Amino acid sequence: GESVGLHLPTLSVQEGDNSIINCAYSNSASDYFIWYKQESGKGPQFIIDIRSNMDKRQGQRVTVLLNKTVKHLSLQIAATQPGDSAVYFCAESSSGGSYIPTFGRGTSLIVHP
Amino acid sequence: NAGVMQNPRHLVRRRGQEARLRCSPMKGHSHVYWYRQLPEEGLKFMVYLQKENIIDESGMPKERFSAEFPKEGPSILRIQQVVRGDSAAYFCASSPLRGNTEAFFGQGTRLTVV
Repeated sequence: GESVGLHLPTLSVQEGDNSIINCAYSNSASDYFIWYKQESGKGPQFIIDIRSNMDKRQGQRVTVLLNKTVKHLSLQIAATQPGDSAVYFCAESSSGGSYIPTFGRGTSLIVHP
Repeated sequence: NAGVMQNPRHLVRRRGQEARLRCSPMKGHSHVYWYRQLPEEGLKFMVYLQKENIIDESGMPKERFSAEFPKEGPSILRIQQVVRGDSAAYFCASSPLRGNTEAFFGQGTRLTVV
């Protein structure tokens, strides 16, 4: 079936470095792609989303890139801080799926001071 | 404006008992989603509700699980005759509009079946 998945389960970076978290998807009918951050013991928190007709969107310290040709999505975090340590999920939603976010497995980001 | 409130935060049930999980969406939000998360796993969609209506329950197990979102009061996820495999974190999210990608999640209810 359609799925959203991540390449790496764990990413370790040094404080101040830039982080790149990757995601592959298979549903070519997705309308939106969304990144969530989940800290230990908490619910997911919306970070940023991107429409399928865009290839880049920037937020505060974060940039999402979408490559529809290879069905690849990435989240770039600039100047990573210890507070960025969390599990990051990409998700997709589509009108055919009632815009219900479908989540991938997640990548654990560990930021070393 | 309080966020999405879920209670209880932790729930322990013996096998065969019933579990009731509550979710109060953010003020003004009429769309509620329930997800289940196993350790080290992503969130698996269970059910999508609007006030008094189930919109999509494609992720709900066919037996023992039910959900409602009444006109007044919180959304309830009910699990009858719980089994050990039901142990998980259950999250609900709410949004004001259909198709709003910025769904707000609660802190979750961690169900442990002993």
